[in-house]
This record gives sequence, structure tokens and C-alpha cells, in this order.
Amino acid sequence: EAQVTQNPRYLITVTGKKLTVTCSQNMNHEYMSWYRQDPGLGLRQIYYSMNVEVTDKGDVPEGYKVSRKEKRNFPLILESPSPNQTSLYFCASKLSGTSGRNEQFFGPGTRLTVL
Amino acid sequence: AQKVTQAQTEISVVEKEDVTLDCVYETRDTTYYLFWYKQPPSGELVFLIRRNSFDEQNEISGRYSWNFQKSTSSFNFTITASQVVDSAVYFCALSVAGGTSYGKLTFGQGTILTVHP
Repeated sequence: EAQVTQNPRYLITVTGKKLTVTCSQNMNHEYMSWYRQDPGLGLRQIYYSMNVEVTDKGDVPEGYKVSRKEKRNFPLILESPSPNQTSLYFCASKLSGTSGRNEQFFGPGTRLTVL
Repeated sequence: AQKVTQAQTEISVVEKEDVTLDCVYETRDTTYYLFWYKQPPSGELVFLIRRNSFDEQNEISGRYSWNFQKSTSSFNFTITASQVVDSAVYFCALSVAGGTSYGKLTFGQGTILTVHP
């Protein structure tokens, strides 16, 4: 089954404790991205990756890191989480980043709470 | 830069009523794509539809219909004879063809639809 998986689905942590949210897709997609969803703001892009070893900032990258060492994986790293990073996070992938027409496939979401 | 506005924060209807969710977008690109996603209470994002900027044909899928009007930069979504299972957050989104946006989806703020029995 074609899918995007994220782990963990729920996470409660404390300020400053490094964490990683994993994302994996099995569709051989070139493009992957991370979004955060906050009430009243919709979803906003954090980082994206056009392909292996190619990553760039989205609209709200501060406090986050990513890496793309393999095509299927795109982990989101919070090296020193703060309470303002409490949010619902979605990983997404699409066939190609150079075309706006491709549908994006979203993971199930990770609900993160930083105390 | 692109922008999507969903002016209706929350809508509440009674089952079997028709409801229209508004979406207005801004972009300087001539080629772009518009999307609607549904987010049920379980939290996942469900793709509903994609329209191309060069195809203004309206679309109907069962109880769902979409009205795309380039003249008013709008891409409205109508649910006919709403049901309780339609209760969800609905997002309108925009993507442009390449450029510096590189496949990014620009989302509206979302509209919370509640359908009462």
C-alpha cells in the first residue's frame, strides 16, 4: 500500500530535550516536506527536500533541522524544543518538486506537546 | 508570494442542509493548481480534488461540487444535503508550477464544518 508513515504519532516532551520525528514514504517520490498545523493558521511548510541531499527552508524553519540521506526518509529534528513548537506536524511527499500539479500524500500526523 | 483565504472560520448546519465553503486565492503565476483537503476528527488529511488554472470547468462528485472562477480568484466547495459524517475541517490550498515555491502547498486557515443531526 502506497503510504507516508510518521513516528511517533503522539509525543509529550520537555523544553530542551532533543527529539526526532521520522517520516518514510514507499512511493519513490523525489519531493518530501514537513508542515506544521496551528489553529487559525492552517498548515505552513517548515522544510522541504527536492531529492536526496537537497533540502531547503520553507516558511517557518526556525528551531528545526532536517536531513535527506535516503530517498524514502525525511526526519524532522528539534534540537532544543520550546513550547511554541507544540503543534500538529505532517510529513508529505509528491512525485516531483518541480511540478505544482502533483498531489501531495500526507502522513497521519504527529501531535507534539512541549512542556 | 501566494495566499489563500478561507474567510469562514466555522460553519454550523443541520443535516440535509446545503453548505458552501469559500476559498479565495492570490497568485501572480499564470499556471497554478488548487486543492481541497478534508481533515476529519481523526486528524488525517484527505485529498478531495485538484483543479488546474487553465480548466475552469466545474466538477461534481456525488454530494460534492466545486466552483472555480478565475475572474474572482475563487474556488468554492459546496456540499449538498450535508451529513453528520461531513463534519470536519476543510482546507483549500494552492500550488504553483515550479519557481521558487518548489511544490509547496499554501494553505488557507481552514473552515470547521459542524453538521448537527
